[in-house]
This record gives sequence, structure tokens and C-alpha cells, in this order.
Amino acid sequence: EVQLVESGGGLVQPGGSLRLSCAASGFTFSSYSMNWVRQAPGKGLEWVSYISSSSSTIYYADSVKGRFTISRDNAKNSLYLQMNSLRDEDTAVYYCARDPIYGGPRSGMDVWGQGTTVTVSS
Amino acid sequence: DVVMTQSPLSLPVTLGQPASISCRSSQSLVYSDGNTYLNWFQQRPGQSPRRLIYKVSNRDSGVPDRFSGSGSGTDFTLKISRVEAEDVGVYYCMQGTHWPKTFGQGTKVEIK
Repeated sequence: EVQLVESGGGLVQPGGSLRLSCAASGFTFSSYSMNWVRQAPGKGLEWVSYISSSSSTIYYADSVKGRFTISRDNAKNSLYLQMNSLRDEDTAVYYCARDPIYGGPRSGMDVWGQGTTVTVSS
Repeated sequence: DVVMTQSPLSLPVTLGQPASISCRSSQSLVYSDGNTYLNWFQQRPGQSPRRLIYKVSNRDSGVPDRFSGSGSGTDFTLKISRVEAEDVGVYYCMQGTHWPKTFGQGTKVEIK
């Protein structure tokens, strides 16, 4: 079964750091580009970051650029999001999401995890 | 960034009746390869998003054929031919033609 399982969320103070992880299974992780997408409480979806299959191409939303770092370890079938200098507005459910092979990263994420909740509050 | 504007934001529908959601982009979504990367997602209450349609009109595996997508350039539509109870949730369009990927605000479909 194709599966993505996020972990690492929690409560952190403003200015703090957190590292999210996403464990992939059921598919050849190293062949797929990946994304982080977040959803603030009661709000819509916001794309956060993208990493290509080989890590050669990385993009960030302007709202997190310079504070968040996406990375992956293909040997461990894992995706990561290092979040520094956290702000109240970073409070959200963070989803790990896979891009499809057919159609590529522009065709929308075809597999999503269940999400991990990050709360930034003093 | 490309702004995606959905309407309506709330859509009460009678079971068995059709529903239609509009999505407009602030720029053309035709990419240099000739494809138009407009995708639709469904998020049922308490669940993660699920892709329904990619590249305007291609249904994902397992998506009922009552869902259809159409449109071109900057103007797109998701239609549900006959709404069923399991279709309740929020629907998002998303463009992948231009970086960053951007989503519409979401349209909440509920049963009257």
C-alpha cells in the first residue's frame, strides 16, 4: 500500500524550531518529487515547498523562504522539513504530498499523508 | 504569484442534483509544453486532500464519473452531475503551470 506518514509536529514557542519528517512506503520513493503543503486552522491549502527526486531542484513559498529547509534521504525513504524562526502564522496541519510520475510535478499531488499539527504559541 | 479565484465559496446542493464550481486564474495556465496544469482536489471533513482531476479534465483512478472537469486558458469548471452524500466537503483548484503552485480558496459543498 502506498503510504506517507508525517511526524514531528507539536507545540513550539515563537522563534523556535521544529523538524518534520515524512516516512514513505509502498512505492519507489527515490523516483518521485515531493512537497509539503499546509493548512491553517479553518483555512485553505497552502503549498510550502518542493524537492525533486534527486534533491537537485528545490522551491519554497515566499512566506517560508529563508526560514524553512526541505530535504530528503532516499536511502531512508524519508522527507524532511526543518522549520526555524517559527511564527504564529505557521500554525497549521502540515501534509507531505507526492507528485505523480505521469504528468510530473505540475499535475498536482497524487498521494497525501494524514498530516502533522504544528502549533506556534507562547 | 498566480491568484486562483473560486466561486461560489459555499454551495448547498440537493441530493441527486448537479453542482458546478468555477475556478479562474489571474494568468493563462497553458504551459510551454502545450499542457494546461489545472488540477482539482477534494477534502472530505476530517480527511486529507485527495486529487480528483489533473490537467483540466483527467479523472484519477477510482473517481466516480459523475465528476468532470473542463475549461481552458484562465477559466475552469468542476461539475458533479448528481451530488451524493459522500461528495460533501471542500473542493480546491490548484495550478501547477507557474511556480509557486497556488490553490483556490476552496468551495464548501453541503447538502441542503
